[in-house]
Order: sequence, then C-alpha cells, then structure tokens
Amino acid sequence: IVMTQSPVTLSVSPGERATLSCRASQSVSTNLAWYQQKPGQGPRLLIFGASSRVTAFPARFSGSGSGTEFTLTISSLQSEDSAVYYCQQYDSGPPGTFGQGTKVEIK
Amino acid sequence: EGQLLESGGGLVQPGGSLRLSCAASGFSLRDYVMTWVRQAPGKGLEWVSITSISGDTTDYANSVKGRFSVSRDKAKDTVYLQMNSLRDEDTAMYYCAIKVPGTYPLVDWGQGTLVTVSS
Repeated sequence: IVMTQSPVTLSVSPGERATLSCRASQSVSTNLAWYQQKPGQGPRLLIFGASSRVTAFPARFSGSGSGTEFTLTISSLQSEDSAVYYCQQYDSGPPGTFGQGTKVEIK
Repeated sequence: EGQLLESGGGLVQPGGSLRLSCAASGFSLRDYVMTWVRQAPGKGLEWVSITSISGDTTDYANSVKGRFSVSRDKAKDTVYLQMNSLRDEDTAMYYCAIKVPGTYPLVDWGQGTLVTVSS
C-alpha cells in the first residue's frame, strides 16, 4: 500500500489552521497513524485509529478519515508545532508503510 | 517515564559490519513487538525489520534481506540489529520502535543511532 501525503511543505501563520492530507492507494479502514518528528528527535505517535489523539498532545490536534482519505488538522498553530508529520498505515504488512511526510513551517 | 535507547552506530566502510542495540529504560521490551526503522539524511521513514515478542519470527525489508538480522536477548532485555555487507545506501539514522501485537501503530520510538557507510 502506497501512502501519499500532501502538501510536501505547509507554511502557516501562528493561530491559523493547518490541514495535512494523507491518501492510501487502497483502503486501510481506520488503521492509520500520524507521527510528529522534530529535528534531532525520533518520531512520536500523535494519532492512532485515524482519529484517536495520544493524550500527551493538546486538543488542537485532530485526525479524521477512513478508507483511503485522511486528514490531520492543527486547529490553531503554535510555534512548537513546527515539525514533520508522517502518516502510516498499519492495516497491511508488518508494520505498515509510511507517507513521505509533510513539513509544517511557521510563517 | 520510559524510553528506548539505541546504541552502536558509527562510521563503517562499505562491505563492513555493525551491530546496533536497543534497550529500554523504565519498562521491559519483553511485552512488545520490536521494529527497526531507518531514515536516510533528509529523507522519510523506511521500515527495516519487525520481530515477534518471542524473537522466533522476523520480517525484513527487501532492501536489507539477507544482510541484516535481528536477535533478542531476553536476559539483557535488549534487541540487536546485526548489519552485514553494508552499502552506501544504508547510511541513515536507525530507530528502534515498539508496538503491541496485532493491528496497532508504533507506540514509542528511540532517539536513533546514526550509521554512516563511507570509504
């Protein structure tokens, strides 16, 4: 299963909404995760089951979608949200395939 | 708070070998499926291997199959990635990450250890 993320880079002003997309080449149901990776750090699980947020992350992060189309939304972007965000399907193949990432920049 | 700790990275010549280690602080690896994921400089994430809790079963990415092998030392609660016949394209940050059995994501990742293959 091929995961395609868009856009490659997203530049958003503080306080504005950021919308990241992830598309699967075939249905993965809701077996979709989002990870946040900051420079010099390993990725951190952010969203699992397409829409369940890890409690360590604030409520401004939300995920949605099912099947082949998924969205990660940051409702009010903060400076500390600058990072690369990866989606990963874990429906098929151990342990699943990653998208190429979307870099979120603060405008 | 628990964390995963990778070690063993470094500079190695093409054709050489290296062994990476992954240990946990604050919890045991015994209850988790172990994976290795790598990230070439400036690139995305690439799955390398996945090993069952028992250590009896490991799947490898085609790019490393036959060259890399994973083992689990239950006494030391450590997982190893033995990398042989290294190539330039194996240059990457290597992360260990854990998941629970079944259809679940990777719930925790280490900080990574850098492997550089160069003459």
